[in-house]
Amino acid sequence: SQQGEEDPQALSIQEGENATMNCSYKTSINNLQWYRQNSGRGLVHLILIRSNEREKHSGRLRVTLDTSKKSSSLLITASRAADTASYFCALMYSGGGADGLTFGKGTHLIIQP
Amino acid sequence: DGGITQSPKYLFRKEGQNVTLSCEQNLNHDAMYWYRQDPGQGLRLIYYSQIVNDFQKGDIAEGYSVSREKKESFPLTVTSAQKNPTAFYLCASSIQNSNQPQHFGDGTRLSIL
Repeated sequence: SQQGEEDPQALSIQEGENATMNCSYKTSINNLQWYRQNSGRGLVHLILIRSNEREKHSGRLRVTLDTSKKSSSLLITASRAADTASYFCALMYSGGGADGLTFGKGTHLIIQP
Repeated sequence: DGGITQSPKYLFRKEGQNVTLSCEQNLNHDAMYWYRQDPGQGLRLIYYSQIVNDFQKGDIAEGYSVSREKKESFPLTVTSAQKNPTAFYLCASSIQNSNQPQHFGDGTRLSIL
């Protein structure tokens, strides 16, 4: 399965600013998921967006999905130092599912206090 | 609290030695997964299991073996045939449904002595 590609690979912003990261992919998906990973820890699920959905919100997180462009974005508003982590998009491909998700290489986000 | 427990957190392997990484979940999930993560990289699927006594190879299964004798447990053995085993290993589980997120353990970091 093909990976999603996150952009940018790394992002450093000031606390309080908004952070936007993007994920692009190449084939049809069933759903797209965003995960966060703090250094040396496991991944934590943030949001799942289905292929027939265009936008979802969870607290300070906003995810959009554009299936015509095969891309998704994750927006974190009013960033905090605790948001410093790596963020991964994970794809569930259409017709697949038995072998789970395909993860991108991630965006490393640093929030400067 | 329900969750996934991986042990040990750190593991060292000598040349020619097999080592086994433990993964236990009490979430009553049918599906379990093993991933490998190298520095600055995304997750790559090693093995997955959708049901007890059944498992399938992922993208990088060579040099690894698994068993699924109980629903709660999915141990991974890194064999001596795996020539580059140094990595961060993550175990995950999910409900048997493609529109469900995966839940991750906190990982095992394997190093070669």
